[in-house]
Amino acid sequence: DAGVIQSPRHEVTEMGQEVTLRCKPISGHDYLFWYRQTMMRGLELLIYFNNNVPIDDSGMPEDRFSAKMPNASFSTLKIQPSEPRDSAVYFCASSGTNMGSTDTQYFGPGTRLTVL
Amino acid sequence: QKEVEQNSGPLSVPEGAIASLNCTYSDRGSQSFFWYRQYSGKSPELIMSIYSNGDKEDGRFTAQLNKASQYVSLLIRDSQPSDSATYLCAVNKNTDKLIFGTGTRLQVFP
Repeated sequence: DAGVIQSPRHEVTEMGQEVTLRCKPISGHDYLFWYRQTMMRGLELLIYFNNNVPIDDSGMPEDRFSAKMPNASFSTLKIQPSEPRDSAVYFCASSGTNMGSTDTQYFGPGTRLTVL
Repeated sequence: QKEVEQNSGPLSVPEGAIASLNCTYSDRGSQSFFWYRQYSGKSPELIMSIYSNGDKEDGRFTAQLNKASQYVSLLIRDSQPSDSATYLCAVNKNTDKLIFGTGTRLQVFP
């Protein structure tokens, strides 16, 4: 398997622009997680899905952030409008199910977002 | 108090020594514990998981869990320069979410 795939790997945009990050989870995994990592705050969970349904979005910082998972093989994280403080590395991770709960999470390579 | 706390380091050890990385957590209901390694500019990768009190060994790595003290550690024996990375402790409170610490940066010098 190719692992978790994320695109783009790098994104540079100007404040106020819309940014869309994409993720393809590992085939057969039924959990998908979106994280943000910064030096100051570390790795923070933004939202996660189970079987394409959003379960917990309490980590989404503001209404400017939204995430969708239209099918089992694709998810997007959108920021509109973007702000400089959104600059971070955004990771997508996926996992299967073990004994009724999430199993090991496998991370994608991340998208490094810079908002000027 | 943070839910998962780690010393940010850097922890510097000479090649061949034992590196000891520590992590404390605040929720006594936590069930599963994980150590992820993250090289600079790369994504986290799982190296150890532990679910019950005691030690769990995997090659040069040993995870130790003490639920009474709410403490989990990772020992790396015969440290190599290639072990230089940030080590993230993660805790699962019997939900689907992992709570990560901010990581400890390990430097192994020749």
